[in-house]
Amino acid sequence: EPEVTQTPSHQVTQMGQEVILRCVPISNHLYFYWYRQILGQKVEFLVSFYNNEISEKSEIFDDQFSVERPDGSNFTLKIRSTKLEDSAMYFCASSPPSGRASEQYFGPGTRLTVT
Amino acid sequence: GESVGLHLPTLSVQEGDNSIINCAYSNSASDYFIWYKQESGKGPQFIIDIRSNMDKRQGQRVTVLLNKTVKHLSLQIAATQPGDSAVYFCAEKQGGKLIFGQGTELSVKP
Repeated sequence: EPEVTQTPSHQVTQMGQEVILRCVPISNHLYFYWYRQILGQKVEFLVSFYNNEISEKSEIFDDQFSVERPDGSNFTLKIRSTKLEDSAMYFCASSPPSGRASEQYFGPGTRLTVT
Repeated sequence: GESVGLHLPTLSVQEGDNSIINCAYSNSASDYFIWYKQESGKGPQFIIDIRSNMDKRQGQRVTVLLNKTVKHLSLQIAATQPGDSAVYFCAEKQGGKLIFGQGTELSVKP
């Protein structure tokens, strides 16, 4: 069964450094998302992406964040200058073509630790 | 603001019993709801969904009930198994994004 994959599984970085989190969505999906989950809290929406542009973003997704689909398979989340409070699990998700775009499939997540 | 919340943070059941996990939502305009299961160290896994034009939907060992009058959603798991132990989230679709509730941790005792 196709799955969303994410790399790395765990990323440790120093405050102020840039990080890039990588995702490979399910191959025939057209909608892509990033969510984050601070330890012990609920999953929070960051951004959605469709047709090579951001379709929606949350207040969390400020100028320090950016997303990109550099090729036909990868979907990345970049944090330019990490802060301690960026420490969280980051989940990528994807949805099938319209008609079933409601069903979002999540990857296993990348645990980001900012020290 | 609009939110989706869960009634209980933890639920402990005996193996073989039925489990009921509840969720309240506040946006009366919401028309699509999903239940996700999250095991330790993994991403949310889709369990079952329901649209607002339905009040019940059944899957394999799971049933979701929607009461729009009181804005309440529940997930019923029949014959709960140790493998069902996880955190369960309800989520509401707003536009293209999912708004998740706080989560209920289900613990199954053998």
